[in-house]
Amino acid sequence: QITLKESGPTLVKPTQTLTLTCTFSGFSLSTSGVGVGWIRQPPGKALEWLALIYWNDDKRYSPSLKSRLTITKDTSKNQVVLTMTNMDPVDTATYYCAHHFTFGGVIVIPYWGQGTLVTVSS
Amino acid sequence: EIVMTQSPATLSVSPGERATLSCRASQSVSSNLAWYQQKPGQAPRLLIYGASTRATGIPARFSGSGSGTEFTLTISSLQSEDFAVYYCQQYNNWPGTFGPGTKVDIK
Repeated sequence: QITLKESGPTLVKPTQTLTLTCTFSGFSLSTSGVGVGWIRQPPGKALEWLALIYWNDDKRYSPSLKSRLTITKDTSKNQVVLTMTNMDPVDTATYYCAHHFTFGGVIVIPYWGQGTLVTVSS
Repeated sequence: EIVMTQSPATLSVSPGERATLSCRASQSVSSNLAWYQQKPGQAPRLLIYGASTRATGIPARFSGSGSGTEFTLTISSLQSEDFAVYYCQQYNNWPGTFGPGTKVDIK
């Protein structure tokens, strides 16, 4: 059974750095085709893909947020960490980590964490 | 960045009726399109990928079609558990972009 769970602060101040950890089970991030990514959703709004790290350490970032994001993995701990610098109130959102699987040009996101709401406020 | 649009924003349907949701891409995404269902307070659930392939465990009443820039999600006979928000997402170009969603509510 594949599960993912996000952890991190629920409240950050403007200009601070957000660090979120995704702890997963039921799959290995060293398996070919597997990735773990982060997707966020502001309250009442649509989903936005932020970053993705693959089994081979290939990393992808949203172009609009690339300068603020860093994604890393610790395969031995089954964890993926996302850091986002210079947080702003517009970054208030539910942050999801999600299992990705890629094959033949297809990227599916079949498993998601429950999400964690991060509020940016002074 | 590819922009995804969805219509209508809200679709009011009676249980047992058919629902047809549309998704359009600002440029061709081939068949690299997925549909997700999201209920309040829950994470999205993958329904369809490759424009028309149902994900594991998804009932046959959900079907997807289209390619290029125009896509459709059809729910053949709405069940009570299908009232939710539906998002399309292209993964042809990075970053994969999501549409704004279509809310399917009870008529």
